[in-house]
Amino acid sequence: DAGITQSPRHKVTETGTPVTLRCHQTENHRYMYWYRQDPGHGLRLIHYSYGVKDTDKGEVSDGYSVSRSKTEDFLLTLESATSSQTSVYFCATGVSGTSGYEQFFGPGTRLTVL
Amino acid sequence: AQKITQTQPGMFVQEKEAVTLDCTYDTSDQSYGLFWYKQPSSGEMIFLIYQGSYDEQNATEGRYSLNFQKARKSANLVISASQLGDSAMYFCAMSSQGAQKLVFGQGTRLTINP
Repeated sequence: DAGITQSPRHKVTETGTPVTLRCHQTENHRYMYWYRQDPGHGLRLIHYSYGVKDTDKGEVSDGYSVSRSKTEDFLLTLESATSSQTSVYFCATGVSGTSGYEQFFGPGTRLTVL
Repeated sequence: AQKITQTQPGMFVQEKEAVTLDCTYDTSDQSYGLFWYKQPSSGEMIFLIYQGSYDEQNATEGRYSLNFQKARKSANLVISASQLGDSAMYFCAMSSQGAQKLVFGQGTRLTINP
């Protein structure tokens, strides 16, 4: 295991409220990612980071922002949550190893927006 | 743009039989990686196997092997001697050199019957 934790693991919130999800890793991996998983869509990339303060948008970035002030932490913020953001959110870290690029996932956060 | 296609939404297999999960991909990159992940009902994403585009031999990890056919752009997962614990959702994914991020297929739900 790559030592990835996510907090909270479950959250219920109301439309229009801000929400921040935290991802913490202990492996000192350079790359970090946020995905959302919805039925019929697999995992889709929201944002990713290739270093401290270096982030970029993924496939479904609208309505989300991220920050990475330390190597070990990657925050995902929903500025004003909407019901369409109800999903399971996965954090992942990535590293280039001897067998190629490897990506490891956290346990996921189930977010419900009412 | 890269794309992963998994055409089997669900599969049912008898215990101890071998099973092949299909995955085709589309990319214009010469260097890329192909991955398979398992997601059991508990929700975590478990890395199974990796194949680099320049690897001449098919990757194997225990009961898992990846049938890589580069000309056909396919990367099928073969599970030998299936077990009840293999029942899960399986995702195929790919990365490209330099991008260090994954694109996922929609997944195949595998059910192993006793």
